[in-house]
Amino acid sequence: AAGVIQSPRHLIKEKRETATLKCYPIPRHDTVYWYQQGPGQDPQFLISFYEKMQSDKGSIPDRFSAQQFSDYHSELNMSSLELGDSALYFCASSLGRGLGPYEQYFGPGTRLTVT
Amino acid sequence: AQKITQTQPGMFVQEKEAVTLDCTYDTSDQSYGLFWYKQPSSGEMIFLIYQGSYDEQNATEGRYSLNFQKARKSANLVISASQLGDSAMYFCAMRVGALGNQFYFGTGTSLTVIP
Repeated sequence: AAGVIQSPRHLIKEKRETATLKCYPIPRHDTVYWYQQGPGQDPQFLISFYEKMQSDKGSIPDRFSAQQFSDYHSELNMSSLELGDSALYFCASSLGRGLGPYEQYFGPGTRLTVT
Repeated sequence: AQKITQTQPGMFVQEKEAVTLDCTYDTSDQSYGLFWYKQPSSGEMIFLIYQGSYDEQNATEGRYSLNFQKARKSANLVISASQLGDSAMYFCAMRVGALGNQFYFGTGTSLTVIP
């Protein structure tokens, strides 16, 4: 079965550079979530989209922006990168939203290293 | 404020025995969902089990069961008949928000299964 695809899997950037992470949800899933997981930390919810519209916002820095496109793929844009942005960035998708057991399927993550 | 608390940073269990991983939560929302995820050393996030705030029965999925005590705001994960492959980080998570698209994770419990 198709899973959530994230690209790239690994990314190395220098401070003050920009980065774009891509996420391709499972076909027919209408909701996409982005998370940041620092080393030894729990995943922090950044932002979510439902049917290409921003749905909820978590602890996403102002330097980051995200959008979901007409084909439902999503991109997380990160500017003015800082050392503290080094983390594993997960994308997850689900079919449906609301408080039901709409299980999130996580992608393998993009490991961003800022030097 | 929305918060998930996992007070056990590390746990050990003998193979074939049962283990309980603790999770307490805090939310002012009346409706919410509780999830447990497993994160092996490879990094991927694997969904284990879900409990809705209005579900009267405790959720079970194979060897996983969720001990939901709403009044105490606890949602402990019970793993029966532990296997070596259960060694991983385990995260408790809560889904809240009017649109149900905000997720909060606990800090995780590292479980080691001893042969």
